[in-house]
Amino acid sequence: RKEVEQDPGPFNVPEGATVAFNCTYSNSASQSFFWYRQDCRKEPKLLMSVYSSGNEDGRFTAQLNRASQYISLLIRDSKLSDSATYLCVVNIKGGGADGLTFGKGTHLIIQP
Amino acid sequence: DAGITQSPRHKVTETGTPVTLRCHQTENHRYMYWYRQDPGHGLRLIHYSYGVKDTDKGEVSDGYSVSRSKTEDFLLTLESATSSQTSVYFCATGTDPSTGELFFGEGSRLTVL
Repeated sequence: RKEVEQDPGPFNVPEGATVAFNCTYSNSASQSFFWYRQDCRKEPKLLMSVYSSGNEDGRFTAQLNRASQYISLLIRDSKLSDSATYLCVVNIKGGGADGLTFGKGTHLIIQP
Repeated sequence: DAGITQSPRHKVTETGTPVTLRCHQTENHRYMYWYRQDPGHGLRLIHYSYGVKDTDKGEVSDGYSVSRSKTEDFLLTLESATSSQTSVYFCATGTDPSTGELFFGEGSRLTVL
């Protein structure tokens, strides 16, 4: 089982819709979790951290389910500008510099 | 945005030639990283640095070496490039790995013929 797994998509979603995708991780000792966004042919950028209690940033909500070992990202009222690849990132070594493990990404396309 | 610049941004080279990619930061971040990104793979860590002259190997370090003689510069060297090293290379910096916040450069696209 890969350490961090994501559905590669693409997810084709009409503008204004709500979309959600998950990321599963294999190491139960993982302590910190993040979502990054990467636009086509650009560098990744941190979108949000994922806290145990769940957290929200505007239209974006991130949740952690430790029992089932997955994190989720929900986007409400999707915009054309949300089209991107969303990378799940897990720190599998308790915060060490070499512990950040990236998923392959989920490609999201918002259609007008 | 953090000031991270990579050079060159694009390079085409031949198998067996040495290649050096440079990452320069103006943020005084302690940690610096080199990743490669390939289709079908997530970002994979090549090497990282936790201070001047302090470096360590990542997941895919074979065929690569690094050096960090100054806080602001982190060099990635391919001593003898191979076609399997054709990739997009990203440099990243950060202050505290536990925060998960990395600042990436714009990437360097390397093609080895």
